[in-house]
Amino acid sequence: NAGVTQTPKFQVLKTGQSMTLQCAQDMNHNSMYWYRQDPGMGLRLIYYSASEGTTDKGEVPNGYNVSRLNKREFSLRLESAAPSQTSVYFCASSVLAGGVNEQFFGPGTRLTVL
Amino acid sequence: GEDVEQSLFLSVREGDSSVINCTYTDSSSTYLYWYKQEPGAGLQLLTYIFSNMDMKQDQRLTVLLNKKDKHLSLRIADTQTGDSAIYFCAEKVYNQGGKLIFGQGTELSVKP
Repeated sequence: NAGVTQTPKFQVLKTGQSMTLQCAQDMNHNSMYWYRQDPGMGLRLIYYSASEGTTDKGEVPNGYNVSRLNKREFSLRLESAAPSQTSVYFCASSVLAGGVNEQFFGPGTRLTVL
Repeated sequence: GEDVEQSLFLSVREGDSSVINCTYTDSSSTYLYWYKQEPGAGLQLLTYIFSNMDMKQDQRLTVLLNKKDKHLSLRIADTQTGDSAIYFCAEKVYNQGGKLIFGQGTELSVKP
């Protein structure tokens, strides 16, 4: 099993450009999450999908959109990138929202917006 | 709202014990977690504790939970250089689906 995979690993954008970060999991998990990690701020939840067909806003959703394409895939789109979106983005998945809810993380996408 | 606080840095000598502390604000948290992030990688779950427990031990790791003070700690015995990483405390808030609230992370540096 590959676990949670993310593409691309690195990306540089100019202000105003758009891009989609891809995430896929092969563990048959129901719930998927997108976080951003910034120095001194920990991980902040952008959007999550508790199950296929549903998405909800997290703590910092502005400037982002998501699509839960199917049970395996959950993409994050930046429509018009801004320097404040320079960050490391992590996708995660878990079996269910209830119980221990161990979240499994991908390796991250390092995004720089100039 | 929910908030999780950690100190940002901790430095210890190899062989010593490390204690990483965390405070949280939501008394309705059901589970509390410790995740480890090695350089350039994603987070991995180290251990967790259910909110009705005071202590959990797992090999070199001991988790202590003080619900009255909303304080969580992670003790690593016989710390090794391979333990150098960022450690995140997280809480799962009751009745908000699977959302976790993470602290800022504590960077543990282990000196030989």
